[in-house]
Amino acid sequence: RKEVEQDPGPFNVPEGATVAFNCTYSNSASQSFFWYRQDCRKEPKLLMSVYSSGNEDGRFTAQLNRASQYISLLIRDSKLSDSATYLCVVNWGGYQKVTFGTGTKLQVIP
Amino acid sequence: NAGVTQTPKFQVLKTGQSMTLQCAQDMNHEYMSWYRQDPGMGLRLIHYSVGAGITDQGEVPNGYNVSRSTTEDFPLRLLSAAPSQTSVYFCASRTKDNQPQHFGDGTRLSIL
Repeated sequence: RKEVEQDPGPFNVPEGATVAFNCTYSNSASQSFFWYRQDCRKEPKLLMSVYSSGNEDGRFTAQLNRASQYISLLIRDSKLSDSATYLCVVNWGGYQKVTFGTGTKLQVIP
Repeated sequence: NAGVTQTPKFQVLKTGQSMTLQCAQDMNHEYMSWYRQDPGMGLRLIHYSVGAGITDQGEVPNGYNVSRSTTEDFPLRLLSAAPSQTSVYFCASRTKDNQPQHFGDGTRLSIL
């Protein structure tokens, strides 16, 4: 089993739709979790950290389920500008213990 | 707001040539790292540093060297370029363990 797994997609959704991505991880000792957004041929940019209690930033909601070992990202009222690849990152200590998922591609269509 | 600055943005090399990818950050972050990103694969760690004078190998260190003489700079050296090193290279920095990383805008490297 891969350390971090994401559905590569693409997820094609109409503007205004709600879409959710999951990311599963294998190491139960994982300590911190993040969602990054990466536009085509650009650098990853931090979208949000994922906290145990769940957290929300505008149209974006992140959840952590430690029992089932996954994190999720929910995007409400999708915009064309949300089209990108979303990477999950799992960290259980030092640099050697940071793993990036391969990303889920989202395409929001008019 | 400079953040993490990488140079050059693009580079084409011939097999066997050497070069240095530059990375500088102005956020006074102790931790810096180099990743490569290839199609269909996640970011893979090449080398990292937890402070000036301290470096260590990541997942794919072969063919690359690093040094960290100052907090700000973390150059990556390709010793003898090979086509397998064709990739997009990202430098990143962060304050400490379990904190998110901040990425430079990447160097797109092609080895012919």
